[in-house]
Amino acid sequence: DGGITQSPKYLFRKEGQNVTLSCEQNLNHDAMYWYRQDPGQGLRLIYYSQIVNDFQKGDIAEGYSVSREKKESFPLTVTSAQKNPTAFYLCASSNRDRVERTEAFFGQGTRLTVV
Amino acid sequence: LAKTTQPISMDSYEGQEVNITCSHNNIATNDYITWYQQFPSQGPRFIIQGYKTKVTNEVASLFIPADRKSSTLSLPRVSLSDTAVYYCLVLLTGANNLFFGTGTRLTVIP
Repeated sequence: DGGITQSPKYLFRKEGQNVTLSCEQNLNHDAMYWYRQDPGQGLRLIYYSQIVNDFQKGDIAEGYSVSREKKESFPLTVTSAQKNPTAFYLCASSNRDRVERTEAFFGQGTRLTVV
Repeated sequence: LAKTTQPISMDSYEGQEVNITCSHNNIATNDYITWYQQFPSQGPRFIIQGYKTKVTNEVASLFIPADRKSSTLSLPRVSLSDTAVYYCLVLLTGANNLFFGTGTRLTVIP
């Protein structure tokens, strides 16, 4: 089945460590996104990518980095520079080819906790 | 991108119709209005999208007045399983930067 997969579902990080969250999609979508969600809050955009080898900062990019070497993959690295990384991270992809609508498909999320 | 404003929260009894209104005063000519639903610890999922007048699917209806400066998501006869956060987005067809606001937290009461 086509879809978008995030891994791992739960991730624990020690302070000062970098960690990488995986996001893979087999929907042949051009665009991919990373969001952060804190308890009781909405989604905040970290980075997005419209095409391979290109990505743009969202509202809260500081302390994060991404790469887009393949269309299917958009990994997010939470660096030690991110002072408060504990959150729920969501990856999404969307199809820019359809004229009548743009629909985003989300993964199941990764819950990152700093210990 | 057009900014949207929604109520932060709403409560409803089971079996009632729920209407959630979203304001988007700066909507542009080519923008579509899209609603998503999010359950706790899950990613949002697409509910409905429209450009003008009324759109209906198996889940909800979307009402958009002629000036398109607001829209109303209508959920018929809600059940406990409709308790979720509902997000309104306004986006240009083919746009690739999707900005979500804080959404409306709907709580359905038995």
